[in-house]
Amino acid sequence: SQQGEEDPQALSIQEGENATMNCSYKTSINNLQWYRQNSGRGLVHLILIRSNEREKHSGRLRVTLDTSKKSSSLLITASRAADTASYFCATENYGQNFVFGPGTRLSVLP
Amino acid sequence: DVKVTQSSRYLVKRTGEKVFLECVQDMDHENMFWYRQDPGLGLRLIYFSYDVKMKEKGDIPEGYSVSREKKERFSLILESASTNQTSMYLCASRLLLGTDTQYFGPGTRLTVL
Repeated sequence: SQQGEEDPQALSIQEGENATMNCSYKTSINNLQWYRQNSGRGLVHLILIRSNEREKHSGRLRVTLDTSKKSSSLLITASRAADTASYFCATENYGQNFVFGPGTRLSVLP
Repeated sequence: DVKVTQSSRYLVKRTGEKVFLECVQDMDHENMFWYRQDPGLGLRLIYFSYDVKMKEKGDIPEGYSVSREKKERFSLILESASTNQTSMYLCASRLLLGTDTQYFGPGTRLTVL
């Protein structure tokens, strides 16, 4: 089944550095979304990128999508301690439900 | 802003008890979802509903049932709780499939002793 799988599983960086997380999936998709989850909380939507788009920006977030490689990346620039969270990609095929990956746990050290 | 609320943040139950988890959304969304989240496994879909009184099984429906009597409310029921149902349960709602984002509740951490 199609599944987003994030890489790396865990990432630790210093405040001010950039963080890059990757997501790979197996089948065709309609769109791909990134979510953030603070410890013990629900998921918060960050950004949606459609299959005909290659790159999107939102504030300090940059998402790329390469449908030929079935992969996406999330870049967080100038990271802050408040960015510490788990990040999930979710892929969606036409009319079907989201499939979430296991997530990347990001730690931003002050 | 869409608001999705869940009845409890933390819940402790005993094996064999019947457990109800309630979810309410305030944006008139058609679609509602129940997931469980376990370390290393990500979110797994238990059940979803695309309309009142309609329900569809997700990837892991065994041991669960759901009820949607009103559009804004979607309940997850554990008929006889077991220790392997100890998990974080997340409810979500969404207006349209295929074009929209999902909005999540804060989650219920259920412990079954």
